[in-house]
Amino acid sequence: EVQLVESGGDLVRPGRSLRLSCAAFGFNFNKYAIHWVRQAPGKGLEWVSGITWNSASVGYADSVRGRFTISRDSAENSVYLQMNSLRVDDTALYYCARDNDFGTFDVWGQGTLVSVSS
Amino acid sequence: EIVMTQSPATLSVSPGERVTLSCRASQSVVTNLAWYQHKPGQAPRLLISGAFTRATGVPARFSGSGSGTEFTLTISSLQSEDFAVYYCQQYRNWRSFGQGTKLEIK
Repeated sequence: EVQLVESGGDLVRPGRSLRLSCAAFGFNFNKYAIHWVRQAPGKGLEWVSGITWNSASVGYADSVRGRFTISRDSAENSVYLQMNSLRVDDTALYYCARDNDFGTFDVWGQGTLVSVSS
Repeated sequence: EIVMTQSPATLSVSPGERVTLSCRASQSVVTNLAWYQHKPGQAPRLLISGAFTRATGVPARFSGSGSGTEFTLTISSLQSEDFAVYYCQQYRNWRSFGQGTKLEIK
């Protein structure tokens, strides 16, 4: 079965760090770009970051650039989101999503919850 | 960063009605525009890509149109399962979503 599984969400203090993982199953991971999308409580979807299939290109939303770093490991079939200097407004459900080569997201995980609070 | 703006924020409609949702981009995205449906507790679902191409399994009552900076999603006859939040997304320059339009039952 084609699926993405996120993990690593937690409750952390402002200013701390967290690393999220997105594991891919059931498809050739090395052929697809992967993205992170978040949804804060009561808010809409926000694209956070993306990485191409070969890690040649990465992108970030203005709200996280300089604090978050995306990477991938083909041996682990996983994409990671290193989140530093976390802020209260980073609190959200974080999804990873597969880019279907046309630019749209055809497979989504169920999300992992990040809560930033003092 | 391309800013996507959706209107209205909320739409109260009855089953069977025809609805049109709007999405505007801050600069041209050509037809690099997608629509997603999102229900509580579920992952978002891709409905439309390339501004007007339905994804696999999406009913024909969903249709998309537009190009450049103005786009619409039309649902020809609302079914009970269509009440959800709808997002547009551009993929011309990385990605960005609109803030969503919530369809609620009148």
